Amino acid sequence: ETGVTQSPTHLIKTRGQQVTLRCSSQSGHNTVSWYQQALGQGPQFIFQYYREEENGRGNFPPRFSGLQFPNYSSELNVNALELDDSALYLCASSPSPGGNSPLHFGNGTRLTVT
Amino acid sequence: GIQVEQSPPDLILQEGANSTLRCNFSDSVNNLQWFHQNPWGQLINLFYIPSGTKQNGRLSATTVATERYSLLYISSSQTTDSGVYFCAVVGSGGSNYKLTFGKGTLLTVNP
Repeated sequence: ETGVTQSPTHLIKTRGQQVTLRCSSQSGHNTVSWYQQALGQGPQFIFQYYREEENGRGNFPPRFSGLQFPNYSSELNVNALELDDSALYLCASSPSPGGNSPLHFGNGTRLTVT
Repeated sequence: GIQVEQSPPDLILQEGANSTLRCNFSDSVNNLQWFHQNPWGQLINLFYIPSGTKQNGRLSATTVATERYSLLYISSSQTTDSGVYFCAVVGSGGSNYKLTFGKGTLLTVNP
């Protein structure tokens, strides 16, 4: 069974640039969620994708956007990067949307914005 | 939205000691998970436990959903247990698709 994989592991960008992070879900999982974890904080929900559509969204501005592909993999795009976007970005997959099944997380992408 | 409080915020143990971490939540839940985040940032799923008791080796967890709390027990702690322990829940209300995390308990196990 393949777990959740994320790429890249680390990334350095300049303020104002755009970034794309990638996630492959665990085999058999059709739902992908993205979380942002600032230093010293718990992860915060960004959004969830199910059947290639956004299924729910947290309190993040529209410059945070995503995609899900037919193979259930997903991308997180962030435009007009700000210094406060520096964080660990975590992707999680689950076998169904909603909250009745456990989420499995990837190792994350650490984004630094300078 | 649902609130999650974890205690204690920090815990320092000597190797071999036992500990109990607590998670209180403000509303009924469909999902409760305990995670261990290691120093490299990897978030490892320890338990999926919206109710009841589970055990996995030296770790066990109990959730009393009617009283809105969960406990994580670590017995005979080892240095590799160090890291941050998060409790996260999915409320049974409107936003029943997102995990809400507590602030975590930072555990340090000294040799």
